[in-house]
Amino acid sequence: SQTIHQWPATLVQPVGSPLSLECTVEGTSNPNLYWYRQAAGRGLQLLFYSVGIGQISSEVPQNLSASRPQDRQFILSSKKLLLSDSGFYLCAWSPGANQETQYFGPGTRLLVL
Amino acid sequence: AQTVTQSQPEMSVQEAETVTLSCTYDTSESDYYLFWYKQPPSRQMILVIRQEAYKQQNATENRFSVNFQKAAKSFSLKISDSQLGDAAMYFCAYRSLGMGSNSGYALNFGKGTSLLVTP
Repeated sequence: SQTIHQWPATLVQPVGSPLSLECTVEGTSNPNLYWYRQAAGRGLQLLFYSVGIGQISSEVPQNLSASRPQDRQFILSSKKLLLSDSGFYLCAWSPGANQETQYFGPGTRLLVL
Repeated sequence: AQTVTQSQPEMSVQEAETVTLSCTYDTSESDYYLFWYKQPPSRQMILVIRQEAYKQQNATENRFSVNFQKAAKSFSLKISDSQLGDAAMYFCAYRSLGMGSNSGYALNFGKGTSLLVTP
């Protein structure tokens, strides 16, 4: 069966510091991968998605970037964190081309101070 | 962009009773997918049920069923025989059918309904 991992689970970072969140999927190949952010009391907002290695599409211009160095690895990064980057970050995967259901990881809680 | 509206910020139900969560959406597309996700206190999003717009039959998953009214753009979730473990935030989400477009990959979420289950 497929599983999705995210780490760290919780992160507290000072403003201006770099960020690297990692997401990996097991038990499948060539998944579509997604990064979402959830602000307090709100639904999820799609940040990035990837349909293959090295292929990244950005939904929202911001202080963040994403990379996909391996088929089942998706990384969310920032060079300098802002206070507004605080939130809950969820990684998700779907089985591939036009497969509609997305399955979510456990998430990372990021607090920027 | 498609918008999803959940008009009930909070709902409460007694154990073993039935509750219905409302969701409406705005779209000009004829084919799409609709989902209900559950987010317990752990905050992991868990798929509850999905519905393909081209299917007239309402989806069911054990105690969970939907009432899909395409013309009214309504997609409500019914939870029967409610259990304490059903307490969570419930999110309705919309996904376009289109492939290769930005909107085709994003799940558009409502703001959620917090469900409280009382003994």
